[in-house]
Amino acid sequence: DAGVTQSPTHLIKTRGQHVTLRCSPISGHKSVSWYQQVLGQGPQFIFQYYEKEERGRGNFPDRFSARQFPNYSSELNVNALLLGDSALYLCASSPYGNSNQPQHFGDGTRLSIL
Amino acid sequence: KQEVTQIPAALSVPEGENLVLNCSFTDSAIYNLQWFRQDPGKGLTSLLLIQSSQREQTSGRLNASLDKSSGRSTLYIAASQPGDSATYLCAVDSGGYQKVTFGTGTKLQVIP
Repeated sequence: DAGVTQSPTHLIKTRGQHVTLRCSPISGHKSVSWYQQVLGQGPQFIFQYYEKEERGRGNFPDRFSARQFPNYSSELNVNALLLGDSALYLCASSPYGNSNQPQHFGDGTRLSIL
Repeated sequence: KQEVTQIPAALSVPEGENLVLNCSFTDSAIYNLQWFRQDPGKGLTSLLLIQSSQREQTSGRLNASLDKSSGRSTLYIAASQPGDSATYLCAVDSGGYQKVTFGTGTKLQVIP
């Protein structure tokens, strides 16, 4: 079975641009979470979606937004990119997004802002 | 606000040695604690998930313990191997619905 897949794997943008990152969860998983991992740090929670509804949001500005589609795939959008947005963006899925279930992560999208 | 700390930041051990990685958290009201492994440039691989009602979990050479009252968890790796070299992260779910807080990780190097 395929794991969590993310696209693209690498992306280079310039300041002020907009970016869309994509995530396909494990088949049967209805919950998707997004994390930002800056080099040398642990991942920071951005969003969790379940059944197309936002169920949790971390401490990130409104430039960050996301959505989940009927097939449970998800997109993370970041507007007005800043140099500080350079990071590895990770997507994780789980069956129902409950705390008794482990999260399964993709390999991430590495975003570089010039 | 939950804060998670992992000490040491880096650890180097000879192959075959047993080792312990530490994770501490400030708010004991947690739902679960999860240990992950991250290889360079890769995503996270879940190793063990300990529910708040549990004291420990085991998988192969790995054993994780949880002491909520003291805000601590340990990951014990028996008979370490070079393939165990990676960064190990602990993550605490204290908000429910998997809104987790990660530590900064311990980078482990096992020397053949």
